[in-house]
Amino acid sequence: KAGVTQTPRYLIKTRGQQVTLSCSPISGHRSVSWYQQTPGQGLQFLFEYFSETQRNKGNFPGRFSGRQFSNSRSEMNVSTLELGDSALYLCASSLEYAGGSTDTQYFGPGTRLTVL
Amino acid sequence: AQSVTQPDIHITVSEGASLELRCNYSYGATPYLFWYVQSPGQGLQLLLKYFSGDTLVQGIKGFEAEFKRSQSSFNLRKPSVHWSDAAEYFCAVGETSGTYKYIFGTGTRLKVLA
Repeated sequence: KAGVTQTPRYLIKTRGQQVTLSCSPISGHRSVSWYQQTPGQGLQFLFEYFSETQRNKGNFPGRFSGRQFSNSRSEMNVSTLELGDSALYLCASSLEYAGGSTDTQYFGPGTRLTVL
Repeated sequence: AQSVTQPDIHITVSEGASLELRCNYSYGATPYLFWYVQSPGQGLQLLLKYFSGDTLVQGIKGFEAEFKRSQSSFNLRKPSVHWSDAAEYFCAVGETSGTYKYIFGTGTRLKVLA
């Protein structure tokens, strides 16, 4: 069974631009979560989508948004990029809604975003 | 507030030596606990998890972890480290309150000396 895939793997943007990252979960998984990983802040939860609905959200500004499609694939969008948005963005999928469940999250390889 | 502490930022061990990575958590309810490993340029790979039951959990690659409620700890161990174990290790707590969130520790970077 194929794992979680993320595209693109690397991205370079300039300040003020916007970017869209894509995540394809493991087949059959319906929950997709996004995380930001930086050397200074570590791994921080962005949001989770389940059945095309955002179920939970971390403490990030509204510039960070996402969506999930009927096939469970998810996209994350960051508008008006700032230098501090440079990070590794990780996507994780699980079978069911992760809130209160014992489902394990499986992570993709991440998208390395560099903002110049 | 819930938190996860990994007190060791860097650890260096010789190949063949034993390893213990520390993880302490702060969480009011029964936690779901995880250890993940991240190799350079890669995503996170699940090593093992604890939900309930036996407090000694076996994982992949020869790793094990022990849940100690009285110490709020979930330390990761391996009896004999291999050079390929060099990576960053993250402990995580999954909330069980229905408001989903994984809280990760800051990670421990393991270096293995030949």
